[in-house]
Amino acid sequence: AQSVTQLGSHVSVSEGALVLLRCNYSSSVPPYLFWYVQYPNQGLQLLLKYTSAATLVKGINGFEAEFKKSETSFHLTKPSAHMSDAAEYFCAVRNQAGTALIFGKGTTLSVSS
Amino acid sequence: DTAVSQTPKYLVTQMGNDKSIKCEQNLGHDTMYWYKQDSKKFLKIMFSYNNKELIINETVPNRFSPKSPDKAHLNLHINSLELGDSAVYFCASSQDGTSGGETQYFGPGTRLLVL
Repeated sequence: AQSVTQLGSHVSVSEGALVLLRCNYSSSVPPYLFWYVQYPNQGLQLLLKYTSAATLVKGINGFEAEFKKSETSFHLTKPSAHMSDAAEYFCAVRNQAGTALIFGKGTTLSVSS
Repeated sequence: DTAVSQTPKYLVTQMGNDKSIKCEQNLGHDTMYWYKQDSKKFLKIMFSYNNKELIINETVPNRFSPKSPDKAHLNLHINSLELGDSAVYFCASSQDGTSGGETQYFGPGTRLLVL
């Protein structure tokens, strides 16, 4: 069965610092992986997704993620954090039946000035 | 235009009541979903539905039932509300539900509080 684990429920960075949010997955089939962002009291917005094309995926707002099969990882990075990046970030994998997303528990990103 | 919309945004009700949450998508998608986000922000699928098939997460109580009047709408009916039903409910949609890499688009959520 598919699953994702997000390491670190809370990550704090300074404005301008590197953002690294960790996600490891477990899948019995080639995975489809997603990162979503949730701003306070809002819905989820897709940042980027991996669909077996390029292993380095670029998304919106300067975020990118690299699919590493050998490490079963799909970590999210951004070179320079901005105050507006403060939000909840969810990693997700498509379930084997293709009928739903399986989400990690989320990582809260705080950005300080 | 909002792609996926939900009403109401907030819902406060008493235990034992029956309530409905409405969802509409204007993306022309074939598949819609309901997710529940608990107080710890954990998101879990409740239902996925297209015009051919309803797939129910086996952990969802049968007090919850999705109803789709047409392809653009998937409403969530909840009978005999319990305290533990308090959560944020998200509706989502995707193109056809069969392509593994397709994007799911989420609504803004309905915050349900059962007193």
